[in-house]
Amino acid sequence: SQELEQSPQSLIVQEGKNLTINCTSSKTLYGLYWYKQKYGEGLIFLMMLQKGGEEKSHEKITAKLDEKKQQSSLHITASQPSHAGIYLCRSYNTDKLIFGTGTRLQVFP
Amino acid sequence: DSGVTQTPKHLITATGQRVTLRCSPRSGDLSVYWYQQSLDQGLQFLIQYYNGEERAKGNILERFSAQQFPDLHSELNLSSLELGDSALYFCASSAAGGDTGELFFGEGSRLTVL
Repeated sequence: SQELEQSPQSLIVQEGKNLTINCTSSKTLYGLYWYKQKYGEGLIFLMMLQKGGEEKSHEKITAKLDEKKQQSSLHITASQPSHAGIYLCRSYNTDKLIFGTGTRLQVFP
Repeated sequence: DSGVTQTPKHLITATGQRVTLRCSPRSGDLSVYWYQQSLDQGLQFLIQYYNGEERAKGNILERFSAQQFPDLHSELNLSSLELGDSALYFCASSAAGGDTGELFFGEGSRLTVL
């Protein structure tokens, strides 16, 4: 079955710094969803990537899908404390509903 | 606000007890999904219902059961509770039956088993 490994597992950055989170699939990645979760709260949909090479942006968050590498990356520019939370990727078009292992992001002033 | 409502938000109970978590999907959504999130296990898919029928099953224990009612709300029943069942339980809904659509998540029900 497909697995989604996220890296890093945990990230602590200073406010204003850029950062990247990766989501790597063990099988062919046809598309991917990214979610953000505030600690102890529900998941918020960030964006969906459907095609290889596709890149989408939402405010200061940009995500790309690299089909060849079976990987998606999420990049945050000039991080803010409001970016703190758990970021999760979810695979698209699989026989099971698979989420990534999650990346816990902390942003300190 | 995702439109998905979960109750209760918090629940504290003792080992061996039984609890029921409730989920109301977004208006018009036919699929309901249940997830368990614990600190060391990440987000685990439990089960999916589509228009009243079980559609997909994940890592759901035999002590747990779920159902979706004609009005499309769903309930997750957890019985013979153990300490390890303490977790955040999420419900999500989507319009479609497959897993390619966007999921809308509720705020979760935090279960603490003492």
